[in-house]
Amino acid sequence: AQTIHQWPVAEIKAVGSPLSLGCTIKGKSSPNLYWYWQATGGTLQQLFYSITVGQVESVVQLNLSASRPKDDQFILSTEKLLLSHSGFYLCAWSLDEDTGQLYFGEGSKLTVL
Amino acid sequence: TQTVSQSDAHVTVFEGDSVELRCNYSYGGSIYLSWYIQHHGRGLQFLLKYYSGNPVVQGVNGFEAEFSKSDSSFHLRKASVHWSDSAVYFCAVSARGSALGRLHFGAGTQLIVIP
Repeated sequence: AQTIHQWPVAEIKAVGSPLSLGCTIKGKSSPNLYWYWQATGGTLQQLFYSITVGQVESVVQLNLSASRPKDDQFILSTEKLLLSHSGFYLCAWSLDEDTGQLYFGEGSKLTVL
Repeated sequence: TQTVSQSDAHVTVFEGDSVELRCNYSYGGSIYLSWYIQHHGRGLQFLLKYYSGNPVVQGVNGFEAEFSKSDSSFHLRKASVHWSDSAVYFCAVSARGSALGRLHFGAGTQLIVIP
């Protein structure tokens, strides 16, 4: 069975500090991977997607970057956090880019002060 | 441009009641329609999706949804809700063959089930 693990579960960070959020998928080779951002009580906004190692496409510009250093790992990061980065970050994977069915991790809650 | 509209921000029902959560979409091409559930502070879980064929699709935990092309709708229903169904429900649409896995989510409907 496939599993998806996100870390950390929660972070409290200062404005201007760096950030790194991670996501690991086990049990599925070459998954399509996605990062979503959710404002508190809000809808979801896709940030990045990746179909293969080393290849990441940006969907929106939020002063964030993403990387896929390994087939089963997806990293979201920034060197300088903004207050607007606060929210809930969700990693997801899909069996096929065309199914419209994503499998989400449990998310990482980020609070920027 | 794809849009997904969930007209009800909140729906409150009693345990054992039936419920319908509404979703309307706007898109001109071939699409996938899906529903996800999010319990407080958790990730999203897939409930069901429609691709083609029978417009009524069955999902997990007794949920079903009906696609209507004429109404551009994909409403979610459950005949008898349980208190554990309390959560936020998101409708989503994605275009087949387009930007990879790009789901456009609605604003969500919070379902509150009173025991």
